[in-house]
Amino acid sequence: GQQVMQIPQYQHVQEGEDFTTYCNSSTTLSNIQWYKQRPGGHPVFLIQLVKSGEVKKQKRLTFQFGEAKKNSSLHITATQTTDVGTYFCAGRAGGSYIPTFGRGTSLIVHP
Amino acid sequence: EAGVVQSPRYKIIEKKQPVAFWCNPISGHNTLYWYLQNLGQGPELLIRYENEEAVDDSQLPKDRFSAERLKGVDSTLKIQPAELGDSAVYLCASSLEAGTDYNEQFFGPGTRLTVL
Repeated sequence: GQQVMQIPQYQHVQEGEDFTTYCNSSTTLSNIQWYKQRPGGHPVFLIQLVKSGEVKKQKRLTFQFGEAKKNSSLHITATQTTDVGTYFCAGRAGGSYIPTFGRGTSLIVHP
Repeated sequence: EAGVVQSPRYKIIEKKQPVAFWCNPISGHNTLYWYLQNLGQGPELLIRYENEEAVDDSQLPKDRFSAERLKGVDSTLKIQPAELGDSAVYLCASSLEAGTDYNEQFFGPGTRLTVL
């Protein structure tokens, strides 16, 4: 079955430092979604990428979809304490209606 | 606009007892998902509904888990009997149409189940 691997599992940064999480799929994806889950909260949709090589930006967040549509990354520039949470990627394989979630990367920002 | 509503938020039961979770999706969302989330893990799909039809239920442990969405709106997930390993957060999510290119999922707050 499809597997989605996410690294690192945890990342500690000082406020102001950059942060990147990587997502790799065992199969080619039709699209990939990113969600953020605050401690004690539920996943909240951030963005969806569909096209090979696609890059999207949301303020300090930059999302990339690999050329082969098997990997993706989320980069946060100059982290803030409000960025704390777990970031999940969810990849949907071609022909499937169901995204498979990665384990997530927990971001801890030290003030 | 109201989000996905789930109840109860917390449930503590003893093993072998039954338990039920309720979900009301966002109005107009045809697709409803039930996920299980263990600590430190991503959500794992249990079942997906398209309107009142259950599809993609291969991950649902059918010996003890059941779900229904009788009128294609709200849904109930039941466990009977519960086991210690069922302790987790049960998340409900909804989206407009799973088959479209854009199927952002909206998650409810979840039900945290503790089985003693």
